[in-house]
Amino acid sequence: EDQVTQSPEALRLQEGESSSLNCSYTVSGLRGLFWYRQDPGKGPEFLFTLYSAGEEKEKERLKATLTKKESFLHITAPKPEDSATYLCAVQDSGAGSYQLTFGKGTKLSVIP
Amino acid sequence: EPEVTQTPSHQVTQMGQEVILRCVPISNHLYFYWYRQILGQKVEFLVSFYNNEISEKSEIFDDQFSVERPDGSNFTLKIRSTKLEDSAMYFCASSVGNEQFFGPGTRLTVL
Repeated sequence: EDQVTQSPEALRLQEGESSSLNCSYTVSGLRGLFWYRQDPGKGPEFLFTLYSAGEEKEKERLKATLTKKESFLHITAPKPEDSATYLCAVQDSGAGSYQLTFGKGTKLSVIP
Repeated sequence: EPEVTQTPSHQVTQMGQEVILRCVPISNHLYFYWYRQILGQKVEFLVSFYNNEISEKSEIFDDQFSVERPDGSNFTLKIRSTKLEDSAMYFCASSVGNEQFFGPGTRLTVL
């Protein structure tokens, strides 16, 4: 059974204070690892897809990296508008489908 | 920018009633999905749909649930006889490849 564990559950940062969110995963074979942002009462918003260990993707203040067992979402000099819950999800190539298995998310609060 | 839309945004129903949640996927997408998120819990996969048939479903997606693509644009989720535990946010998603794009969700409240 695919498993995704995210840590920490919640993170409070001062504006400009860089940090990283962790996503550990267990799959029989990784088709892809996905990062989403979710604002309260809204649907997940796609950020990145990572396919193989060593891959990195960047978007504004966010950078996602991938190893064979975990992924990190690095946030550089965050701003209050980066406050949201960040979700990690995996697609298992062994499942033969495109379903996503999500973690519980990390709720990020950036304080001005 | 194209986006997935869902209606209604909030649905309140009595236990045992049927509800239909509607979604309009992004127009050139081929794969369609329903997920749900119970308050405070993780997003959970329900069902995937491709080429006018279910391609995969989870244990949650029992005989009370059904999906349909009645025309070229809409994708619906029907719950035949709602239970209290069906109260959740229901998200539709669509994709043309691996990346899935989610709609804003329908909040279903079962009383």
